[in-house]
Amino acid sequence: KAGVTQTPRYLIKTRGQQVTLSCSPISGHRSVSWYQQTPGQGLQFLFEYFSETQRNKGNFPGRFSGRQFSNSRSEMNVSTLELGDSALYLCASSLASSDTQYFGPGTRLTVL
Amino acid sequence: GENVEQHPSTLSVQEGDSAVIKCTYSDSASNYFPWYKQELGKGPQLIIDIRSNVGEKKDQRIAVTLNKTAKHFSLHITETQPEDSAVYFCAASKDYGQNFVFGPGTRLSVLP
Repeated sequence: KAGVTQTPRYLIKTRGQQVTLSCSPISGHRSVSWYQQTPGQGLQFLFEYFSETQRNKGNFPGRFSGRQFSNSRSEMNVSTLELGDSALYLCASSLASSDTQYFGPGTRLTVL
Repeated sequence: GENVEQHPSTLSVQEGDSAVIKCTYSDSASNYFPWYKQELGKGPQLIIDIRSNVGEKKDQRIAVTLNKTAKHFSLHITETQPEDSAVYFCAASKDYGQNFVFGPGTRLSVLP
């Protein structure tokens, strides 16, 4: 069974731009969560989607948003990029909200 | 909210020796504790997890112990091998897999 895939793997943007990252969960998984990983703050939870509905949200500004499609694929969007948004963005999927999460390889975003 | 501490931040062991990484959590309602291994350029990979109704779990060379009273859990790796070198993260959740709070990570180096 294929794992969680994320596209693109690398991205370079400039301040003020917006970016959209994509995540395809493991087949059959309906829950998708997003995390930001930085050297200073570690792994931080962004939000979780289940059946196209955002069920949980971490402590991030409204510039960070996401959505989930009927096929469980998810996207996250960051608007008005700041230098501090440079990070590895990880997506994790699970069968349901109460199941073990499996992570994708991440998208490394660099904001110049 | 939940706070997870992890020690040590770096750990070097000789090949064949054991490695122990410890985590403490603050929210007594947390009931799910996974451990992830992250290699360079990859997303975190689940290596073992434990739920609050179990005190110990073992999978070949890897074991996890949980002390709910003291609110700490530990990862034990025996007969370490160079391929065990990676960053290890513990996490805690009170929703059986959602809203993870991660520890800051431990960089394990296994010296040949």
